Amino acid sequence: DVKVTQSSRYLVKRTGEKVFLECVQDMDHENMFWYRQDPGLGLRLIYFSYDVKMKEKGDIPEGYSVSREKKERFSLILESASTNQTSMYLCASRSHQGTGELFFGEGSRLTVL
Amino acid sequence: SQQGEEDPQALSIQEGENATMNCSYKTSINNLQWYRQNSGRGLVHLILIRSNEREKHSGRLRVTLDTSKKSSSLLITASRAADTASYFCATGNTGFQKLVFGTGTRLLVSP
Repeated sequence: DVKVTQSSRYLVKRTGEKVFLECVQDMDHENMFWYRQDPGLGLRLIYFSYDVKMKEKGDIPEGYSVSREKKERFSLILESASTNQTSMYLCASRSHQGTGELFFGEGSRLTVL
Repeated sequence: SQQGEEDPQALSIQEGENATMNCSYKTSINNLQWYRQNSGRGLVHLILIRSNEREKHSGRLRVTLDTSKKSSSLLITASRAADTASYFCATGNTGFQKLVFGTGTRLLVSP
């Protein structure tokens, strides 16, 4: 069974803290994505990665960075968390040769106080 | 940039009834996908329809695509309480597909 695992389901952090959200997939997928989901705004793309060590900005990259050192792992980093980054974060992966279907993790709900 | 917009935003029906959700988008697409999200969980892929297809079926799901109107619909027949979820459309362009999601339709199916 294919799986995308996000390291934390719930996190509470303080303003200014550095936050790491980890995502691991076991499907040998080339493409990986980070979205954030907010009520009324749907899913918005933060960053994506074509392949190992490759990364591209999505629609809302400000305040975020990413790391893809290994094919199976894609990390989202909030260098200095702010209250407006309180959100649900969703990681997804996709095969480069696939149909375009995304496989999602369960999500990480981050609260920044 | 939001591409798809679902309509209605919320839908409440009884078990056994059909549920229809619509999605409109703005630019040319290569394919359109529908996803389902249970409360507080990740999204699950339901069905993909390519731009050269007009209709597709999968179990109780029927998807239509009208590229001239830039719209799609998802029909769930004989709904069940377990179908209660949010449903999102997502569009993919040619080349590397950064799927762009709509804002979703919340479906409530009452027993």
